[in-house]
Amino acid sequence: EAQVTQNPRYLITVTGKKLTVTCSQNMNHEYMSWYRQDPGLGLRQIYYSMNVEVTDKGDVPEGYKVSRKEKRNFPLILESPSPNQTSLYFCASSLFREGEQYFGPGTRLTVT
Amino acid sequence: GNSVTQMEGPVTLSEEAFLTINCTYTATGYPSLFWYVQYPGEGLQLLLKATKADDKGSNKGFEATYRKETTSFHLEKGSVQVSDSAVYFCALPHSNQGGKLIFGQGTELSVKP
Repeated sequence: EAQVTQNPRYLITVTGKKLTVTCSQNMNHEYMSWYRQDPGLGLRQIYYSMNVEVTDKGDVPEGYKVSRKEKRNFPLILESPSPNQTSLYFCASSLFREGEQYFGPGTRLTVT
Repeated sequence: GNSVTQMEGPVTLSEEAFLTINCTYTATGYPSLFWYVQYPGEGLQLLLKATKADDKGSNKGFEATYRKETTSFHLEKGSVQVSDSAVYFCALPHSNQGGKLIFGQGTELSVKP
């Protein structure tokens, strides 16, 4: 089944404790993105990647890192999480530059 | 650059009522247009899309027509069900950045029995 998977689905952590949210797609898509969704702010892109080893900042990259060492994986790294990073995170992928995106199920992160 | 404006919610309807959620866009050229749906506790799913002017996208009883004259892509359904309760997002590609979608703010739909 074609899909985007994320892990973990739920995570509660403390300020400053490094964490990684994994994202994997099995559709051989070129483009991958991370978004965060917050009430009243909609969906905001954090980072995106056009291909292996090619990544760039989105709208709200501060406090996040990404890497794209393999085409299928695009992990999101929070080196020192803070409470303002409490949010719902989505990974997405697309085959074409202007094509539809396929979303993962989301990761709900709480930083205390 | 490309942008999208979506009708604000929440929208509350009775079962079998007619649904319209308005979406207007500003775009360079004629990009594809999308409607996504987010059911409670889930990720976004592509509901329908249209790839060129006058195209009609349809899925699960929902329809939207790509109208370049009015720069609109309104979502409609003739008879909503309780199971249609969700948040609906209109979206289009970013004008300069590949692999990025510009989303509307989302419209929350609640359908009562």
